[in-house]
Amino acid sequence: AQSVSQHNHHVILSEAASLELGCNYSYGGTVNLFWYVQYPGQHLQLLLKYFSGDPLVKGIKGFEAEFIKSKFSFNLRKPSVQWSDTAEYFCAVLPSRGNNRLAFGKGNQVVVIP
Amino acid sequence: DAGVIQSPRHEVTEMGQEVTLRCKPISGHNSLFWYRQTMMRGLELLIYFNNNVPIDDSGMPEDRFSAKMPNASFSTLKIQPSEPRDSAVYFCASSLTSGPSTDTQYFGPGTRLTVL
Repeated sequence: AQSVSQHNHHVILSEAASLELGCNYSYGGTVNLFWYVQYPGQHLQLLLKYFSGDPLVKGIKGFEAEFIKSKFSFNLRKPSVQWSDTAEYFCAVLPSRGNNRLAFGKGNQVVVIP
Repeated sequence: DAGVIQSPRHEVTEMGQEVTLRCKPISGHNSLFWYRQTMMRGLELLIYFNNNVPIDDSGMPEDRFSAKMPNASFSTLKIQPSEPRDSAVYFCASSLTSGPSTDTQYFGPGTRLTVL
């Protein structure tokens, strides 16, 4: 079964700082990769996804992620965060074909200080 | 599109009572998922359906939990009897699965369950 690792569960930073959240997965086959965001008290929303093609993926709200196959990584970045980016961010991995089980990381709790 | 709809949004009940959570997937989606989110365990997949058929229920904690999908637009997750350790946020998600390929899962707003 696939597994997903997210480090630095709690991240605190100031507005305008750059953000990078790491995501590593273990799965031998082809995968689809996702980042979801959960704002306080809300449900998970899709931030961006990678299925194939350009490994640098642009998402909503200025976020981007880069798939590095050799490192089994899909790190999330934003050059300049805003207070409204305070949320929990989840990386998720889904085998491209097969069991339909979306595996989530433990999440990164990001707090942006105004 | 209304997105995935869940009800109720909040449920407070006493230990031993039966709890039923409801989900309406996005129209046209043929896969439906039930997740549980807690601080300790994060997001866990409980069960998923494809074309109304349960495919993988290995995440269902125990026999107190059951899920049904009587038609393409409705699913329920039932806990009977409920226990305090069942307190969590329960999310429903849906996606479109075509053959062996799967698409993005879209999540509902969740039901926050508190068992006293």
